[in-house]
Amino acid sequence: QVQLVQSGAEVKKPGASVKVSCKASGYTFTGYYMYWVRQAPGQGLEWMGRINPNSGGTNSAQNFQGRVTMTRDTSISTAYMELSRLRSDDTAVYYCTRGPNRDDYIDFDYWGQGTLVTVSS
Amino acid sequence: QSVLTQPPSASGTPGQRVTISCSGSSSNIGSNYVYWYQQLPRTAPKLLIYRNDQRPSGVPDRFSGSKSGTSASLAISGLRSEDEADYYCAAWDDSLSAVVFGGGTKLTVL
Repeated sequence: QVQLVQSGAEVKKPGASVKVSCKASGYTFTGYYMYWVRQAPGQGLEWMGRINPNSGGTNSAQNFQGRVTMTRDTSISTAYMELSRLRSDDTAVYYCTRGPNRDDYIDFDYWGQGTLVTVSS
Repeated sequence: QSVLTQPPSASGTPGQRVTISCSGSSSNIGSNYVYWYQQLPRTAPKLLIYRNDQRPSGVPDRFSGSKSGTSASLAISGLRSEDEADYYCAAWDDSLSAVVFGGGTKLTVL
């Protein structure tokens, strides 16, 4: 069965960086894009970016360009999202989710359990 | 401000039919598929409708999606208490080269 298992909750200070991992199992890791979506407390869903695990190519939302780095390790079927220069408004639950390897198909059929990142001094 | 526009709230009584709208533009809904996600409290979102009107296996046929021009709708018939959740529409945006979401609609079953 398909599973996406994310790393645990993090507490960071403003200006620091956080790296969240997402370990995939139950399917061919390189056959699907991996997306990152976040949700601030009481707010809606916000797309951050995606990585093609096959090529390592990435696309990120304008709001995060220059601050977000997405990588993957195909040997362990794991995707990573690192967000730098953290601010208090980066406090959110961060989700990984897989989608078809096609730009305009965003069938996010499996999601990680979410990782709460708290940014506080 | 979200690129896709949804009403912040909707409500209905058990057994009723409710619809949730999602309005976009030619660069997103007008030229790409629409998706709907259901998010129950304190859980990850779940794919409810994909590619405008397709239901993943396991999603009851009480849920249906439609699209016309630059707008889309999610309809829920035979409303049940367990349908109380947040609903989000989403689409790919060609101009932004990004996934765009609606702001979400909180559905209350009265």
